[in-house]
Amino acid sequence: EIVMTQSPATLSVSPGERATLSCRASQSVGSNLAWYRQKPGQAPRLFIYSASTRATGIPARFSGGGSGTEFTLTISSLQSEDFAVYYCQQYNKWPQTFGQGTKVEVK
Amino acid sequence: DVQLVESGGGLVQPGGSLRLSCAASGLTFSSTWMSWVRQAPGKGLEWVANIRQDGSDKYYVDSVRGRFTISRDNAKNALYLQMDSLRVEDTAVYYCARDNSYVDHWGQGTLVTVSS
Repeated sequence: EIVMTQSPATLSVSPGERATLSCRASQSVGSNLAWYRQKPGQAPRLFIYSASTRATGIPARFSGGGSGTEFTLTISSLQSEDFAVYYCQQYNKWPQTFGQGTKVEVK
Repeated sequence: DVQLVESGGGLVQPGGSLRLSCAASGLTFSSTWMSWVRQAPGKGLEWVANIRQDGSDKYYVDSVRGRFTISRDNAKNALYLQMDSLRVEDTAVYYCARDNSYVDHWGQGTLVTVSS
């Protein structure tokens, strides 16, 4: 199975600042990569698919990039609701696999 | 709006069985792949199984293959997960998910606890 590795495990950022999260695949997944945000006690929510396409209702401060094995999720100016855990997921091969998550916390 | 509502979770002893259900609305259920995704307490996400629109193809992660069975009833807009020979490590919140390869709609989840 394809192993997804996210870094860092925890990112401490001040509100209004920029955050960049990384995700690496153990083999190429093309652009078949998604990003989710999960708040405590809630189900995940889709934010990005096809590596760089924002899902419905996702604000423009979120942007995804990369292809192959290296991907990034950038939040240009962190808002209070953005402090949460973010997961990447590849869907190039079954089983679809997730990274272990990056927690974005208030600095 | 798409709604996915899971039910059937609870406490079960190791070796026991449980059947999860998911009631879907607000989508053309019979036209979409569906999945179950789980999350152990304090851990990350794990895809468990998915099923083709007409139920003809089913895929399972290695850790549950032979113990879990995914099924669906398109007439009832319902998805199921029959879980047998449950293990302590199956303890998790189980989410019903619309499978577009990525998940664009999630249920709220149902907690399954396997413990003696």
